[in-house]
Amino acid sequence: AQSVAQPEDQVNVAEGNPLTVKCTYSVSGNPYLFWYVQYPNRGLQFLLKYITGDNLVKGSYGFEAEFNKSQTSFHLKKPSALVSDSALYFCAVRNTGFQKLVFGTGTRLLVSP
Amino acid sequence: NAGVTQTPKFQVLKTGQSMTLQCAQDMNHNSMYWYRQDPGMGLRLIYYSASEGTTDKGEVPNGYNVSRLNKREFSLRLESAAPSQTSVYFCASSEAPTQYFGPGTRLTVL
Repeated sequence: AQSVAQPEDQVNVAEGNPLTVKCTYSVSGNPYLFWYVQYPNRGLQFLLKYITGDNLVKGSYGFEAEFNKSQTSFHLKKPSALVSDSALYFCAVRNTGFQKLVFGTGTRLLVSP
Repeated sequence: NAGVTQTPKFQVLKTGQSMTLQCAQDMNHNSMYWYRQDPGMGLRLIYYSASEGTTDKGEVPNGYNVSRLNKREFSLRLESAAPSQTSVYFCASSEAPTQYFGPGTRLTVL
């Protein structure tokens, strides 16, 4: 069965500092990995995905994520955080033959001025 | 191009009442999904439709029914609402592998 773990309920970072939101996964076969962001009272917005190829994936709003197969991780990163990045972030996984996404429980990112 | 739209945005029901949540997408996607979001639990899949004319149960289907009316529309029905169904409901569509989400329906069952 597929599963995703986001070990931190909340991440606090000061504006201008780098941020990392952690995600580890479990899936049989090759994974498709995703990050979504949810702003208050809004739906989920797609940020980036890893399907195959380069382990460093770049996405929207300056975010990137690094796929690490040996550690089964897909951490979300940004070199310089903005207050406007404050939101709820979800990691999700599916395997190549399976249409359904499995989501983590989410990590709230708070960026302080 | 509106993407995925959902109606209503908010709804309050009494226990035992029924209602249908509507979802439509204009991206010509084959697959559509219904999720519920509860605090601390992430998103859980209720039902999905891989293509027009097919539907399958997800992780938490009890108390819900769905209809894939055509390629654009996928509705979720609560026949007899219960307080445990108080949640935020999201519809999504995809042309694999990426799913795109609607704005959500906030449902309260009293």
